[in-house]
Amino acid sequence: QVQLVESGGGVVQPGRSLRLSCAASGFTFSSYGMHWVRQTPGKGLEWVAVIRHDGSDKYYADSVKGRFTISRDSSKNTLYLEMNSLRAEDTAVFYCARWGQHNDMDVWGKGTTVTVSS
Amino acid sequence: QSALTQPPSASGSPGQSVTISCTGTSSDVGGYIYVSWYQQHPGKAPKLIIYEVSKRPSGVPDRFSGSKSGNTASLTVSGLQAEDEADYYCCSYAGSNTWVFGAGTKVTVL
Repeated sequence: QVQLVESGGGVVQPGRSLRLSCAASGFTFSSYGMHWVRQTPGKGLEWVAVIRHDGSDKYYADSVKGRFTISRDSSKNTLYLEMNSLRAEDTAVFYCARWGQHNDMDVWGKGTTVTVSS
Repeated sequence: QSALTQPPSASGSPGQSVTISCTGTSSDVGGYIYVSWYQQHPGKAPKLIIYEVSKRPSGVPDRFSGSKSGNTASLTVSGLQAEDEADYYCCSYAGSNTWVFGAGTKVTVL
């Protein structure tokens, strides 16, 4: 079945870096763009970044631009999010989601939790 | 990239209907057909329930319907059932390959 599984979350100090991964299965990963979306504790969803199916273009929310980098390795069916200069306000559950054909997010992973704290 | 405006809560009795609004601007909700809605139960991942303003993915009950007028989109849940108690988020394409979510609405089935 179509599945996305995130990993790589954890506790990290402010200013440090962390890399998240999202393993895809059950569909042709190289045919789909992919998103990262985060959810802060007790709050709503925030779109973070998107990458085209072939990795040719990447787009970011203003709140993470210049600090986060989205990438993919289609040989491994894996999406990544490299997060640098982390701040307390980056504490969230990070979800990867598939870029649906209707400009929606049609498949979601279960999320991985990132806590930025000293 | 300001969040779309949703009411924080809504409620209804079983069998009743509840409608949730989602207000944006002409740069997002009002400018594109790409408004989607997501249902999220506690501790679970969001689930797509409406795309392109009013279309339902396969498997989503027809009790869920969507519409849009100007800069405001709406989600209506008819014939409320206990399992509809969840958080609901709207999302709109905002141009230049960016997206914006609403703050979410908690639906309570009384």
